Amino acid sequence: EVQLVESGGGLIQPGGSLRLSCAASGLNVNSNYMSWVRQAPGKGLEWVSIIYAGGGTYYVDSVKGRFTISRDNSKNTLYLQMNSLRAEDTAVYYCARGGSNGPSSWGQGTLVTVSS
Amino acid sequence: DVVMTQSPLSLPVTLGQPASISCRSSQSLVSSDGYTYLNWFQQRPGQSPRRLIYKVSNRDSGVPDRFSGSGSGTDFTLTINRVEADDVGVYYCMQGTHWPWTFGQGTKVEIK
Repeated sequence: EVQLVESGGGLIQPGGSLRLSCAASGLNVNSNYMSWVRQAPGKGLEWVSIIYAGGGTYYVDSVKGRFTISRDNSKNTLYLQMNSLRAEDTAVYYCARGGSNGPSSWGQGTLVTVSS
Repeated sequence: DVVMTQSPLSLPVTLGQPASISCRSSQSLVSSDGYTYLNWFQQRPGQSPRRLIYKVSNRDSGVPDRFSGSGSGTDFTLTINRVEADDVGVYYCMQGTHWPWTFGQGTKVEIK
């Protein structure tokens, strides 16, 4: 059974940094398309970033240059480094497995709140 | 970016009756590989999203056959035959053809 467990969310001031982690079991993060998808409070879903099995990465324009997706194969963990955080980055961040067919597995999400 | 427009945004339904959600894209979702990457997700209250349908009409394992997807090009539909209480939640379409992949605004299904 696939399990994705996110951690690292919390309250952070505008301009600050956070690193989200997603510990995976039941799959290898290095051989799957792994993504971060976010959902602002009471709002819809937004794809943030993806890392392909081959290592290629893509970002939505609103986070390009500020967020970095990466993975540690030895820990079977996906990361999202978030810098220069803004109020509009406030959301639940989901770790997910999947690409063009949409995520087939999702974590429970971790809440990031950017506020002074 | 490809804009995904769902309608209606709110859908009150009677138990046992059918329900349909429309999803339209601002560009064709036919990919250069010939596939159409239009997917549907269900998000029950307080839960993470769950994929129901991928590539227009392929149902995920464990998804009741009451759920079906159809459409082509830019127009797509999710149909729920005989709505059950367990179907309450928000439904999203999502395109995976053009980066950045985008979701519709969501359709809230509730029981009358």
